[in-house]
Amino acid sequence: GENVEQHPSTLSVQEGDSAVIKCTYSDSASNYFPWYKQELGKRPQLIIDIRSNVGEKKDQRIAVTLNKTAKHFSLHITETQPEDSAVYFCAASPLSGGYNKLIFGAGTRLAVHP
Amino acid sequence: DAGITQSPRYKITETGRQVTLMCHQTWSHSYMFWYRQDLGHGLRLIYYSAAADITDKGEVPDGYVVSRSKTENFPLTLESATRSQTSVYFCASSELAGRDTQYFGPGTRLTVL
Repeated sequence: GENVEQHPSTLSVQEGDSAVIKCTYSDSASNYFPWYKQELGKRPQLIIDIRSNVGEKKDQRIAVTLNKTAKHFSLHITETQPEDSAVYFCAASPLSGGYNKLIFGAGTRLAVHP
Repeated sequence: DAGITQSPRYKITETGRQVTLMCHQTWSHSYMFWYRQDLGHGLRLIYYSAAADITDKGEVPDGYVVSRSKTENFPLTLESATRSQTSVYFCASSELAGRDTQYFGPGTRLTVL
């Protein structure tokens, strides 16, 4: 079945720096790759997603890139702020089950220090 | 987010007891999901449902039972709770299939003693 690996597990940056989180997936038929942010004690919330017919997508300070050949995708956060501190999860939607489900990575805990 | 709720928010039970976690959504979304969240494992799918009376297993279904008699409700039952089922459980819903935004409930923290 689909497997999603996420790195690093923890990331510490200074305010204003950039942060990059990388994920790899195993099912080459996967075609939807969302990113969720989970603040401490809160529920996960979608922040950005990308589909397999697009290589890059941006939304203000957040961008996601997708390399289907290498089966990896990345989240880029520029000009980080303390409120970006959270756990970030990547996910992939495998073909099995008719794209009905998401398989999540283990998460990256991002700490942005003032 | 207020459209999907979970109850109870916190539950302590003992090994061997049956526990049911409730999930209710007001959007009439077709798809609903149950995940468990454990440190180091992220979010793992337990069961999902594509519509009323249609359910299927996820990555970690053993020890859990689901039903979906109405579109808006998707209860998760632990038939005989074990300590390994201590976790935070999240319910989610989406209008379309997995290739669509999933909206998560607030979660239920379950402790099995």
